[in-house]
Amino acid sequence: ETGVTQSPTHLIKTRGQQVTLRCSSQSGHNTVSWYQQALGQGPQFIFQYYREEENGRGNFPPRFSGLQFPNYSSELNVNALELDDSALYLCASSLTGTDTQYFGPGTRLTVL
Amino acid sequence: SQQGEEDPQALSIQEGENATMNCSYKTSINNLQWYRQNSGRGLVHLILIRSNEREKHSGRLRVTLDTSKKSSSLLITASRAADTASYFCATDVDQGAQKLVFGQGTRLTINP
Repeated sequence: ETGVTQSPTHLIKTRGQQVTLRCSSQSGHNTVSWYQQALGQGPQFIFQYYREEENGRGNFPPRFSGLQFPNYSSELNVNALELDDSALYLCASSLTGTDTQYFGPGTRLTVL
Repeated sequence: SQQGEEDPQALSIQEGENATMNCSYKTSINNLQWYRQNSGRGLVHLILIRSNEREKHSGRLRVTLDTSKKSSSLLITASRAADTASYFCATDVDQGAQKLVFGQGTRLTINP
């Protein structure tokens, strides 16, 4: 167990809808990163938040957005869902300046 | 986009044998990390090797890094059924950046 939790575990949405995924970081960690993992692929970096501000973004469109709260929990929001958004979404928490991230169990999103 | 490639894509061996997985990457790195993923769930951090290191050990794991060839290998000795999982290498280009770029993974199956 890494101490990082994510909710929900599974989610089914239809194309065009919006979704919010949640992550609770490990205690004491001030940085959270989100990754998208398509079936059979490695995870791809979406973005990172540090002290409630976005701190780097991967090659994802603006309809992917996030929030980090003062208690270091985080949300990933995806608007106008597309079929290709179907994936496992992973969040990872860490302490800034260190090199090790701790991953949550992921949220499996299916877009129909 | 993926940073590099892992080889082989799938590996099946008998329990007790050694398993070797290789990873190649494209750009200069600060460190390279190996993760394990069971059944499409969260990632478990196995080992981190820095760009100025050539070899590192952790229990039954041995990791090598050749920055001149931009490649790394993960050796699991005396494999067990519980080692069945997907293994991913991930690179971080800046110290403490924590914006990992993953390979596509090797699916390892240990047969009893």
